[in-house]
Amino acid sequence: DTGVSQNPRHKITKRGQNVTFRCDPISEHNRLYWYRQTLGQGPEFLTYFQNEAQLEKSRLLSDRFSAERPKGSFSTLEIQRTEQGDSAMYLCASTPSSGWNTEAFFGQGTRLTVV
Amino acid sequence: AQSVTQLGSHVSVSEGALVLLRCNYSSSVPPYLFWYVQYPNQGLQLLLKYTTGATLVKGINGFEAEFKKSETSFHLTKPSAHMSDAAEYFCAVIYGSSNTGKLIFGQGTTLQVKP
Repeated sequence: DTGVSQNPRHKITKRGQNVTFRCDPISEHNRLYWYRQTLGQGPEFLTYFQNEAQLEKSRLLSDRFSAERPKGSFSTLEIQRTEQGDSAMYLCASTPSSGWNTEAFFGQGTRLTVV
Repeated sequence: AQSVTQLGSHVSVSEGALVLLRCNYSSSVPPYLFWYVQYPNQGLQLLLKYTTGATLVKGINGFEAEFKKSETSFHLTKPSAHMSDAAEYFCAVIYGSSNTGKLIFGQGTTLQVKP
C-alpha cells in the first residue's frame, strides 16, 4: 500500500459545472476525512466517515457539496454548480479508528480551479 | 471558538541558524497537538505529535516541540536549519472532547532558509 491516493491531481472547470474527486485511503483505515485548503490558509475540515457512515459535516459543506463512501472503501466528493469560491486544494486523509488521535495520513490533494 | 494561532506567516532564517515556529491553541482543556509539514505540491506529513506523557517531543528531521500548558503553546524548534527544511509548517490540534479525530489547523508558517 503506497498511502492515500487522490485523483485527479488537478482539475480546471468552468463555473456552473459539476466536478467529482476520488480518494482511496490506506486499505486498513476505516476513518476518512475531507479537508479544503485555500491559498495562504491551513486546511479546514469538511466531513468525515467511519466505514460507510458519514458522521460529521462542517457548515462549510453547503448543499452543493456531497460526499460518499460506498462500502467503506474509497470516497468521492462532488461539487455541483461550481463557483469561483470553490477554487481550492481538496485534501483527503485517513486513520484507523483506534488511532484517531495519533496520525492522519494525507493524500497529495486535488487542486480545483474554477474559471 | 476553538482555534489555533501560528504567529508569523513567514519566517526566514539562515542555514545553520535556530528555527522557531510558534503555535498557540485556545482551550482550557489540553488538546492533542501536532505539527505537519507540507512541501510544494505534496500532501501533509506528520513531523511530531503530543498526546500524553513527556511534554518535550521529538520528531523527524531533527525537529522537536514542547507542550506548555500554562502558556497554551506548542512551539516547534530545530537547532540548525537545513536548506531542505524550506516548506510550509502547520500546527494542528484535536480537541479531546469527542473522538472524531477532526484536525483544526493554524494558518501555516512558510519557512525560508537562506544560504
